[in-house]
Amino acid sequence: DADVTQTPRNRITKTGKRIMLECSQTKGHDRMYWYRQDPGLGLRLIYYSFDVKDINKGEISDGYSVSRQAQAKFSLSLESAIPNQTALYFCATSDLPPGLAGGRTDTQYFGPGTRLTVL
Amino acid sequence: GENVEQHPSTLSVQEGDSAVIKCTYSDSASNYFPWYKQELGKRPQLIIDIRSNVGEKKDQRIAVTLNKTAKHFSLHITETQPEDSAVYFCAAKGGGSYIPTFGRGTSLIVHP
Repeated sequence: DADVTQTPRNRITKTGKRIMLECSQTKGHDRMYWYRQDPGLGLRLIYYSFDVKDINKGEISDGYSVSRQAQAKFSLSLESAIPNQTALYFCATSDLPPGLAGGRTDTQYFGPGTRLTVL
Repeated sequence: GENVEQHPSTLSVQEGDSAVIKCTYSDSASNYFPWYKQELGKRPQLIIDIRSNVGEKKDQRIAVTLNKTAKHFSLHITETQPEDSAVYFCAAKGGGSYIPTFGRGTSLIVHP
C-alpha cells in the first residue's frame, strides 16, 4: 500500500552502530506499529502507538526504542545493533476499530518493509 | 495474553487442488480473526477476515470458517492457482487486547 512508506528499504550495518528506521503514512490513521519478521517466527510486535503521546512495548521491545514525531511518523531505533537483530522490519497502521467512536475497520496496513543486516 | 498456533508451516499442492490452513487461539474472548497474504518480497495484505458473530465467510475462491467452541479457525482456498503461492498469516484480536496476535505463517506452494 503506497500510503505507508519506510526508509531505508535495505540497510547493512555493523555491530554496535545506532540505526534508525523511519515510517511515514498518509492514511490519516492514529495507530501505528513496528513488527519484526524472521523466517518461521511470523510477525512479532516490537512497539505500538495509538496516538502521538502514546507509546507501548510489544512482545520483543528489548534493544529497541521508538519515537512518534507526529501522527504520520513513527521511527524505530536500534541503539546498539547486534547480529541477532538482522531481520525484515515492517511498519503498519490501523484505523480505529469498529465499536469505537469513528471506528471503521480492524485492518492493518503494512509498509514495504526494511531489510536490516547487522554484521 | 493471546497465543495463536498455525499449521502447517509449509503446504505444497498441485494447481487446481484445495488448500486448508488451520489456526487455534487461546483467548476465548477474541472476536476478530483476519488472514494476511504475503507474496515473495512484498508486504502482508489482508485477504479476508471474520468476526465471532459468524461461522463462515466466503470471497470467491477463499473462505474462512470459525469454531468458537473449539477455538479454531481455518482458511480454505479452492481451485488453487500458482499466484496463490505465498506466505499466509492468521491472527486473532479482542478480549481486551487492541492489537492482533499473529500465527507463525504458512508457506503455500502451488505447483503448475
